[in-house]
Amino acid sequence: DADVTQTPRNRITKTGKRIMLECSQTKGHDRMYWYRQDPGLGLRLIYYSFDVKDINKGEISDGYSVSRQAQAKFSLSLESAIPNQTALYFCATTGHGTDTQYFGPGTRLTVL
Amino acid sequence: GQQLNQSPQSMFIQEGEDVSMNCTSSSIFNTWLWYKQEPGEGPVLLIALYKAGELTSNGRLTAQFGITRKDSFLNISASIPSDVGIYFCAGHSGGSNYKLTFGKGTLLTVNP
Repeated sequence: DADVTQTPRNRITKTGKRIMLECSQTKGHDRMYWYRQDPGLGLRLIYYSFDVKDINKGEISDGYSVSRQAQAKFSLSLESAIPNQTALYFCATTGHGTDTQYFGPGTRLTVL
Repeated sequence: GQQLNQSPQSMFIQEGEDVSMNCTSSSIFNTWLWYKQEPGEGPVLLIALYKAGELTSNGRLTAQFGITRKDSFLNISASIPSDVGIYFCAGHSGGSNYKLTFGKGTLLTVNP
């Protein structure tokens, strides 16, 4: 079984809809991250969390919100989706005392 | 903020050729990581480097942590078709935030 899972893997939605992307991990890591990937732009950090009570904005947090429901779960929400949020979204985790991040398989989101 | 310049952006090579790619930073990093992303998947860690001058291998892959701590190199020897993918460098500057800065990636295509 995968250590970091994301649901859904693919989603097509319409402008203005609320969307939630979910991430779960079985690695026991305390740090979790949400990234967005666009062609030619690499990975950009949206939000990150160091534990259940800690949420931090990344470089492109506008238009997004997150919820850390438990140590193993970190959700990303788009309150009112817009077309330029069409992208590939990745969740990642890191254990305490290490820099290495482990990524989920990604969610491909299309906003029409 | 910190920036990573990764080059080349893309490479088209013949099977059996060696490949080199690099990343340079505007500031010092304490850790360099190299990831590979295959189509439809999340990035997977290839090599982690923790010390200036360090040279580490993983099969046909060799990566080096530059002596200035502002650059890193990844070499792939005797490329094969399954080496196709996007290769990302990532750096961490130290401290307790555990945020990584990513390069924009090198797209590698290997012709059989």
